[in-house]
Amino acid sequence: GAGVSQSPSNKVTEKGKDVELRCDPISGHTALYWYRQSLGQGLEFLIYFQGNSAPDKSGLPSDRFSAERTGGSVSTLTIQRTQQEDSAVYLCASSLVGASSYNEQFFGPGTRLTVL
Amino acid sequence: DAKTTQPNSMESNEEEPVHLPCNHSTISGTDYIHWYRQLPSQGPEYVIHGLTSNVNNRMASLAIAEDRKSSTLILHRATLRDAAVYYCILRDGDNDMRFGAGTRLTVKP
Repeated sequence: GAGVSQSPSNKVTEKGKDVELRCDPISGHTALYWYRQSLGQGLEFLIYFQGNSAPDKSGLPSDRFSAERTGGSVSTLTIQRTQQEDSAVYLCASSLVGASSYNEQFFGPGTRLTVL
Repeated sequence: DAKTTQPNSMESNEEEPVHLPCNHSTISGTDYIHWYRQLPSQGPEYVIHGLTSNVNNRMASLAIAEDRKSSTLILHRATLRDAAVYYCILRDGDNDMRFGAGTRLTVKP
């Protein structure tokens, strides 16, 4: 079946512009996560959506970052007034939450963002 | 959040076993130990997880110390395709996962 997909795969933008990154989770997965990974670094948690609950935004680095999840499925990560330090690979993951609560996360291929 | 400590890098020869250690001395009773790996230019992928008992699956084995303060991911026969960064993560419930720097495994032919 289809895995997690992300678009675009690559995005080059100029400093100060806004960007939107999209994530399509696996159908039926109620949990969705955003991470970012700077070059040569580990993953940094950004935000977590679980069903209809309020998202956990504790990892968002600044108020320039926001995310929404429409209809419990597709999610969009928006970065306003991009800065060069925002350059990274942005990864999305989803998981199936049920009675067995320690479900693996399935990751998408990521969006490589370059801010010039 | 409970933290994990892993070596920055390890090397292995192809077709030999690899033991990747992880220390988690502040683990709580409800923390599961998860391992993910990230192949070059890809997103992470799940490898294995466990709570107290050793676990085996088609990819690897997970050996958990009796006091649960450390664990070891075992690849029984490393292949070139196993070259990746391996992350050891503690997870309590369906929350987000906090990734550390992981261990970069190099497999030599």
